[in-house]
Amino acid sequence: GAVVSQHPSRVICKSGTSVKIECRSLDFQATTMFWYRQFPKQSLMLMATSNEGSKATYEQGVEKDKFLINHASLTLSTLTVTSAHPEDSSFYICSARPTSANTGELFFGEGSRLTVL
Amino acid sequence: KQEVTQIPAALSVPEGENLVLNCSFTDSAIYNLQWFRQDPGKGLTSLLLIQSSQREQTSGRLNASLDKSSGRSTLYIAASQPGDSATYLCAVRVRGFNKFYFGSGTKLNVKP
Repeated sequence: GAVVSQHPSRVICKSGTSVKIECRSLDFQATTMFWYRQFPKQSLMLMATSNEGSKATYEQGVEKDKFLINHASLTLSTLTVTSAHPEDSSFYICSARPTSANTGELFFGEGSRLTVL
Repeated sequence: KQEVTQIPAALSVPEGENLVLNCSFTDSAIYNLQWFRQDPGKGLTSLLLIQSSQREQTSGRLNASLDKSSGRSTLYIAASQPGDSATYLCAVRVRGFNKFYFGSGTKLNVKP
């Protein structure tokens, strides 16, 4: 199956700093990528839809200035958590859908665990 | 708004047993439905994808069915193994929207 790589897998930062998480589709192009947040023992919460070459579409309640998304190429989307606070600590997962395939199948990265001290 | 429900929330079975996980959704106008597996602290692994025009998909010991009219999908796991222990999530993509709705998952424990 298609491979989505996320980096870093774990990051610990101090409160007030910014953290960037990368999501790459390794063997396919993805016009659209999705960013999710997952709290312990809960399901995935869609944060935003990342579109190559245009602005991301944020879900209601998600601060766009807090969670900056850049989809600079057909294989890379980044999520930057700005001025991170302890409540931003969470598991962030990205997903991508191959542009060329018409099945609409979704592939996920391995996730990034953010801990803000 | 599409709502996806998974029952049961947790399931514990002895090794070798066949089992069924359930997923229900409120809006039958779906584009497709996808089943995933998530191991603790990991991302999601795609298991099976069913298009709206299909009724079932099979991969090895896994079989997923789809009944749009009743808003249900089931994931059947045959001859369960301890390695099947994980959380299983279903996700529904609504027709006309570029968004997937996830259930809360079923945590499966297969005891040796």
